[in-house]
Amino acid sequence: DGGITQSPKYLFRKEGQNVTLSCEQNLNHDAMYWYRQDPGQGLRLIYYSQIVNDFQKGDIAEGYSVSREKKESFPLTVTSAQKNPTAFYLCASSIQAGGNQPQHFGDGTRLSIL
Amino acid sequence: AQSVTQLGSHVSVSEGALVLLRCNYSSSVPPYLFWYVQYPNQGLQLLLKYTSAATLVKGINGFEAEFKKSETSFHLTKPSAHMSDAAEYFCAVSNQAGTALIFGKGTTLSVSS
Repeated sequence: DGGITQSPKYLFRKEGQNVTLSCEQNLNHDAMYWYRQDPGQGLRLIYYSQIVNDFQKGDIAEGYSVSREKKESFPLTVTSAQKNPTAFYLCASSIQAGGNQPQHFGDGTRLSIL
Repeated sequence: AQSVTQLGSHVSVSEGALVLLRCNYSSSVPPYLFWYVQYPNQGLQLLLKYTSAATLVKGINGFEAEFKKSETSFHLTKPSAHMSDAAEYFCAVSNQAGTALIFGKGTTLSVSS
């Protein structure tokens, strides 16, 4: 079945450490997205990519980085510059980046600080 | 700028009762609107979407939503709640550039027997 796979499901970060969250999709979608979810805050956009080798900052990009070297992969790195990284991270994709395109979501990665 | 406001962070209903989850939007262009549902520790699942074809939109699991331009609203309803409907619900609007979605803060639906 086609879908989005996020790994790991749970991740722990030490102070000063960078960690990378994996997101892979086999839906042949062009656009991919990373969101951060905090209780009572809804979803906030970190980065999005409309096409391979291109990505744009979202509303809360500081302390995060991404790459899009392959269509099916959009990894997110949480750097040591992100001072409050504890959250639930969701990856999504859509056929294209158009506003009328629904997004399909993975099951998320929960990141915590040790 | 586009924005979404979900009225009520928590809604409680009895099984069999009407479900009404409220969403108001602000958009400088004709909006595309979505409702998603999230079960604990899972991603979001699309319930329905409005893309200007019809003002009353039917979705999965018996949910529907009505687009009312004059009220800038897109409320989600279901005639009869089921225990399995207990989850968090998010309303979203496309951003002005049409490149991403802007989500509301969510409404948690509780269903009691």
